[in-house]
Amino acid sequence: AQSVTQLGSHVSVSEGALVLLRCNYSSSVPPYLFWYVQYPNQGLQLLLKYTSAATLVKGINGFEAEFKKSETSFHLTKPSAHMSDAAEYFCAVSDGGDYKLSFGAGTTVTVRA
Amino acid sequence: NAGVTQTPKFQVLKTGQSMTLQCAQDMNHNSMYWYRQDPGMGLRLIYYSASEGTTDKGEVPNGYNVSRLNKREFSLRLESAAPSQTSVYFCASSEASRGGNQPQHFGDGTRLSIL
Repeated sequence: AQSVTQLGSHVSVSEGALVLLRCNYSSSVPPYLFWYVQYPNQGLQLLLKYTSAATLVKGINGFEAEFKKSETSFHLTKPSAHMSDAAEYFCAVSDGGDYKLSFGAGTTVTVRA
Repeated sequence: NAGVTQTPKFQVLKTGQSMTLQCAQDMNHNSMYWYRQDPGMGLRLIYYSASEGTTDKGEVPNGYNVSRLNKREFSLRLESAAPSQTSVYFCASSEASRGGNQPQHFGDGTRLSIL
């Protein structure tokens, strides 16, 4: 069975600063990994996914994530935060054995002007 | 593109009442899912349907039933609502993938309060 841990339930950054959201996973097999974003009163939208093609994955809105097998991590970054990045972010993992995803608890990002 | 459509968007129930949440997708996806979202707990899978005609329990199925009406529609029923079922419910769909590498597409949720 797979599981996901997101370090930090809240992150506050200044506009223009680096955004770093941490995600660690456990999986007995090579995983598929996803980052989703949720804006207030909306559903989840896919930011990016890792499916073993490349360890550095680029997503929408300037976000990217790096898969590090040795650290079992899939951290999300954006070089320069924008006010529109204020949202909740979820990391999710699939072990490929079935159709299900396991989600982390989420990290809420606040952007200060 | 409508994507995944959930109805209703908001609902208030009294304890013991029953209700069906509706979900429809127009992406011709084979797999559909129901989640609940509670503060600090991420999304937890209630039930899923890998393909038309099949349903399986997820992590938190107690108190819920589902029906995969056809390829497009997947409904969630609360037979006797309890305050512990107050939550935001999300429906999602994905292309059939035994390998789990296909992303899921989400509706905007149903906000359900049970008094």
